[in-house]
Amino acid sequence: DAGVTQSPTHLIKTRGQHVTLRCSPISGHKSVSWYQQVLGQGPQFIFQYYEKEERGRGNFPDRFSARQFPNYSSELNVNALLLGDSALYLCASTEGVGPWGQETQYFGPGTRLLVL
Amino acid sequence: GENVEQHPSTLSVQEGDSAVIKCTYSDSASNYFPWYKQELGKRPQLIIDIRSNVGEKKDQRIAVTLNKTAKHFSLHITETQPEDSAVYFCAASIPNSGYALNFGKGTSLLVTP
Repeated sequence: DAGVTQSPTHLIKTRGQHVTLRCSPISGHKSVSWYQQVLGQGPQFIFQYYEKEERGRGNFPDRFSARQFPNYSSELNVNALLLGDSALYLCASTEGVGPWGQETQYFGPGTRLLVL
Repeated sequence: GENVEQHPSTLSVQEGDSAVIKCTYSDSASNYFPWYKQELGKRPQLIIDIRSNVGEKKDQRIAVTLNKTAKHFSLHITETQPEDSAVYFCAASIPNSGYALNFGKGTSLLVTP
């Protein structure tokens, strides 16, 4: 029973570079959400996708973008990296058959990004 | 945007005592309120959740209460054990954003033997 998987687990980049993070949801789940968790804080919502369409966007700059593929996996892209982008990036999977806003989100292990 | 306030930020209890963590939310349209436990270096794990049509839910030593009028909800852990030590996050659904959640800043719970 595979849970949510994310790759890579760790990543080191320098300022100005771009990064692509990947997420595979639980089999059968149609929705993926992305969160940024800075050390010592709660996860902060970035994007939510359902059936390949963006359903929600948090308060992040346009340097952040995402997409969902036909197999429901997802990518988060961050351009022009800043030191402040250093964080744990979490992907969460939701089955996506229930009423909006009322389904459990299952988190992946995260990708830890360090920007130097 | 919607805010979720969580208190206290740290909580230390003795084994066997109860622990209570409280959260408030700002958007009355929020309808789903999960609680997550995160151990150091690990992913957040759901421990209990409550939907807006329910006032209280219990699962063994863990219970959650919701007061929609006051827009606050609480986590209660009874008979705490050292393995309950972790950071706990409350969250509230973000209206019109699919299944997205707004999280509190977390409560670091320490249970001492």
